[in-house]
Amino acid sequence: EAGVTQSPTHLIKTRGQQATLRCSPISGHTSVYWYQQALGLGLQFLLWYDEGEERNRGNFPPRFSGRQFPNYSSELNVNALELEDSALYLCASSPGTGTYNEQFFGPGTRLTVL
Amino acid sequence: EDQVTQSPEALRLQEGESSSLNCSYTVSGLRGLFWYRQDPGKGPEFLFTLYSAGEEKEKERLKATLTKKESFLHITAPKPEDSATYLCAGISGGYNKLIFGAGTRLAVHP
Repeated sequence: EAGVTQSPTHLIKTRGQQATLRCSPISGHTSVYWYQQALGLGLQFLLWYDEGEERNRGNFPPRFSGRQFPNYSSELNVNALELEDSALYLCASSPGTGTYNEQFFGPGTRLTVL
Repeated sequence: EDQVTQSPEALRLQEGESSSLNCSYTVSGLRGLFWYRQDPGKGPEFLFTLYSAGEEKEKERLKATLTKKESFLHITAPKPEDSATYLCAGISGGYNKLIFGAGTRLAVHP
């Protein structure tokens, strides 16, 4: 069974640009989560999507946004990039809401902002 | 505020030297405690979920336990391939967001 996939693997942008990161969940999973892992800060929850709806949001500014498509894949957009946005962005998926299901992570997208 | 704290920050072991990693949590309405392993530059790999105090789970050389305030990851007779960062995370009711600790970096030397 294929795991969570993310693209691109690496992304280099300059300050003020926009970045788009993509995630495909495990087949049959309807929930997708985004986390940021910045150097020295640990994993921080960004967003949770389920059945196409945003269900929860972490303490990040509105320039971090995303969406979930009908096939349950997801996109994370970061507008007006700042240097401190440089981090590993991780996507996870789980079977859905209702129970506290395990979240399975993808390999991540390394975003570097110059 | 919900918080997960892991100790030690780093641990160096000789191959075969058993030890334990600690995860203490203050998560309101904790509904699950998760352990993950993360290798450098990769996404976390799921290891265990614990749901209630007294629960234990095992996988190869790893055993996870849960009390009302903390969780332990016991590593028995570790091998160099067990070297990684071990992450603990709590999940609170209704929000589905994992609250991660900073991790324990484990290095096992032959």
